[in-house]
Amino acid sequence: GAGVSQSPRYKVTKRGQDVALRCDPISGHVSLYWYRQALGQGPEFLTYFNYEAQQDKSGLPNDRFSAERPEGSISTLTIQRTEQRDSAMYRCASSLVIGELFFGEGSRLTVL
Amino acid sequence: GIQVEQSPPDLILQEGANSTLRCNFSDSVNNLQWFHQNPWGQLINLFYIPSGTKQNGRLSATTVATERYSLLYISSSQTTDSGVYFCAVGNSGYSTLTFGKGTMLLVSP
Repeated sequence: GAGVSQSPRYKVTKRGQDVALRCDPISGHVSLYWYRQALGQGPEFLTYFNYEAQQDKSGLPNDRFSAERPEGSISTLTIQRTEQRDSAMYRCASSLVIGELFFGEGSRLTVL
Repeated sequence: GIQVEQSPPDLILQEGANSTLRCNFSDSVNNLQWFHQNPWGQLINLFYIPSGTKQNGRLSATTVATERYSLLYISSSQTTDSGVYFCAVGNSGYSTLTFGKGTMLLVSP
């Protein structure tokens, strides 16, 4: 597609539920990144894929968070047993192997 | 990890005024980007500028990598320039970025 596409744009869930956030990167971009942005802060790195390989997951806050990119294109970030502190904007970005990152519009998660 | 400091944290301008935003970073970088987060939350690419100078309309940016800072210049500001400006840097073998806390800009008519 023309840009990075994320869905859903808005997600409201109850504490304890699982959520899955989807990212469709720019066509031809081999690198894909997930970031989380709390209100009033800058985005913080969560994890990074090169093709289908998860190269760095050092930013995932705990084992409730996981991500996959099974065919090297679309990626899913899954949060299990959501907690209120997980409420944030989740942003996906893609790039060529090295170079400029392009971000999607984000998925805003609210956990009640 | 690398540290990124942006200044000023907040800025209020009258429409038509010029401004300079600064980004200091603590280590050598191979990636530096400036973004504008508009009031709707979209993160818009302004410049990819690990070194040198670039211009795009009323905006320009300069990165002096050897002195570990970058500057974003906004001339003849407009109300649509309002939002948060982020500087983000990277110094790994891939393009992961570390963001600063941003500069919140309000341009009043």
